[in-house]
Amino acid sequence: DGGITQSPKYLFRKEGQNVTLSCEQNLNHDAMYWYRQDPGQGLRLIYYSQIVNDFQKGDIAEGYSVSREKKESFPLTVTSAQKNPTAFYLCASKEWTGSTDTQYFGPGTRLTVL
Amino acid sequence: AQKVTQAQTEISVVEKEDVTLDCVYETRDTTYYLFWYKQPPSGELVFLIRRNSFDEQNEISGRYSWNFQKSTSSFNFTITASQVVDSAVYFCALSFSGAGSYQLTFGKGTKLSVIP
Repeated sequence: DGGITQSPKYLFRKEGQNVTLSCEQNLNHDAMYWYRQDPGQGLRLIYYSQIVNDFQKGDIAEGYSVSREKKESFPLTVTSAQKNPTAFYLCASKEWTGSTDTQYFGPGTRLTVL
Repeated sequence: AQKVTQAQTEISVVEKEDVTLDCVYETRDTTYYLFWYKQPPSGELVFLIRRNSFDEQNEISGRYSWNFQKSTSSFNFTITASQVVDSAVYFCALSFSGAGSYQLTFGKGTKLSVIP
């Protein structure tokens, strides 16, 4: 089955801790994205990656970090520097960044800071 | 600047009623794409449609139809004979070229509740 998987589905973090959200895709897509969604809000771009070992900041990158060591994987770390990390995080992928091909989304991870 | 406005925050309809979700966009690009996504309670965004700026033909897919009008910068979405399974948040999005990459800017979404 081709698709995008995110884990865990729910994540709880204590203040001051870093946590890493997993995103894996087996669609052979080049580009991958991380978005944050807050209640009643649209999606805001955190980071994106066009190719392996390259990534760019989105609109709200502060307090987050990413890596892209493999084409199929794009993990997101929410650091202690992120002041308000409680949100729903969505990962997406697309076949080629330079085109307007459709972004497809994973099921999301809901992060709650205790 | 790119902007997508979904003025309807929440809509409630009774099952079998028709409902239209509005989307107005702003862009300086002459070539752009518009999208609609559905987010059911499970959270995953489901792709519904993509339309490019040169194709103003309306599109119909089953009970779903889309009306794209460049003159009013609108890309509205109509569900005919709504069903309870249509209850979800619907997002309109606009693609634009930035830093050599095509990105999406999303509206804030319209929450549709279909009451049995």
